[in-house]
Amino acid sequence: DSGVTQTPKHLITATGQRVTLRCSPRSGDLSVYWYQQSLDQGLQFLIQYYNGEERAKGNILERFSAQQFPDLHSELNLSSLELGDSALYFCASRPSGNNEQFFGPGTRLTVL
Amino acid sequence: DQQVKQNSPSLSVQEGRISILNCDYTNSMFDYFLWYKKYPAEGPTFLISISSIKDKNEDGRFTVFLNKSAKHLSLHIVPSQPGDSAVYFCAASVTGNQFYFGTGTSLTVIP
Repeated sequence: DSGVTQTPKHLITATGQRVTLRCSPRSGDLSVYWYQQSLDQGLQFLIQYYNGEERAKGNILERFSAQQFPDLHSELNLSSLELGDSALYFCASRPSGNNEQFFGPGTRLTVL
Repeated sequence: DQQVKQNSPSLSVQEGRISILNCDYTNSMFDYFLWYKKYPAEGPTFLISISSIKDKNEDGRFTVFLNKSAKHLSLHIVPSQPGDSAVYFCAASVTGNQFYFGTGTSLTVIP
């Protein structure tokens, strides 16, 4: 158990819909990262937050947005969903002064 | 643009032998490299890392080698055990703010 929790574990929805994925980092970790893993692909970095502020942005679509709240949990919002958005979405947290990331178990999103 | 590449999607090794997993990168600004291990239905777990100022880091059965001039790193597992069967991802970072992952190598250790 990495200490990072993600909910829900599975999500099935239809094209055009909007969903919210939630992540709670390890206690004390200020950095939160979101990744997308599509079939046979590596982990694609989406976005990073540090203590509530956006720190780095990767290949995140404009239909996607994220935020980190004062209690440090983070949410990834995916809207106008398309079939190609079906993927595993991982959240990771990182303690300050350490380059190791701790990953949650992921949310599997299926868009029908 | 894939800045971190793992060109071998899969590798099979006999138990007790050495497993060598390879990773190439293109960005010379990367200053930290990591290997993660992933089992099905779980998130990746950290295995071992190396700073760009070093060329080798060892932790038990796992050793990571970094060749900066060739922009290449490798993970050696000796001796390989059946429990090592998993997907291995290499990752690289510039200052820890953005991490780039390879597509993974699926290792099977045959008993």
